[in-house]
Amino acid sequence: DQQVKQNSPSLSVQEGRISILNCDYTNSMFDYFLWYKKYPAEGPTFLISISSIKDKNEDGRFTVFLNKSAKHLSLHIVPSQPGDSAVYFCAAQAFSGSRLTFGEGTQLTVNP
Amino acid sequence: DADVTQTPRNRITKTGKRIMLECSQTKGHDRMYWYRQDPGLGLRLIYYSFDVKDINKGEISDGYSVSRQAQAKFSLSLESAIPNQTALYFCATSDLGLAGAVPLNEQFFGPGTRLTVL
Repeated sequence: DQQVKQNSPSLSVQEGRISILNCDYTNSMFDYFLWYKKYPAEGPTFLISISSIKDKNEDGRFTVFLNKSAKHLSLHIVPSQPGDSAVYFCAAQAFSGSRLTFGEGTQLTVNP
Repeated sequence: DADVTQTPRNRITKTGKRIMLECSQTKGHDRMYWYRQDPGLGLRLIYYSFDVKDINKGEISDGYSVSRQAQAKFSLSLESAIPNQTALYFCATSDLGLAGAVPLNEQFFGPGTRLTVL
């Protein structure tokens, strides 16, 4: 039972445009959500997070939106850069300090 | 210097062999985790430990065991490796996130071990 789903295995965008990565979850107990980025031959690195008490969190070019009623979150990257090309994982946890549940990942390719 | 290190980085072994993957961290975190990554399945939790005397099974612990030798060390063993354990394995660490702190319970990952079981 996949509690966190990223339905798009891959996404390709042009440099300078917006990248939108989507994530859906089924467990209503999830309270915190994180995005990780992974380059080849490296471990995942934390990118941005959001608590369920918020609907938006912004950090530079990265913004995460949370729609609790739809159990959906999205990561927006504006403007996209070739260096953003990586696999992006969505993750969720039921409370701070609990284990993370990851989605399948989305491979983002930003073309120059 | 890397905060979370994994050895070996690559390993090819045969079915039935015992394999141990090592993880060390210098972050001073109490919590450590082992994940495996498979194409199309994302990261799945194998085992985790919240301190030296604590070991917990994750989603897919069958066929694996772990040992938390010290706060800084967490090893994963495959007692009798099988081909479907071929995967990328990651160790991670975390500290307890304070409520309201950002990021919340961020986990720090090692570079991974690519294991192939023939």
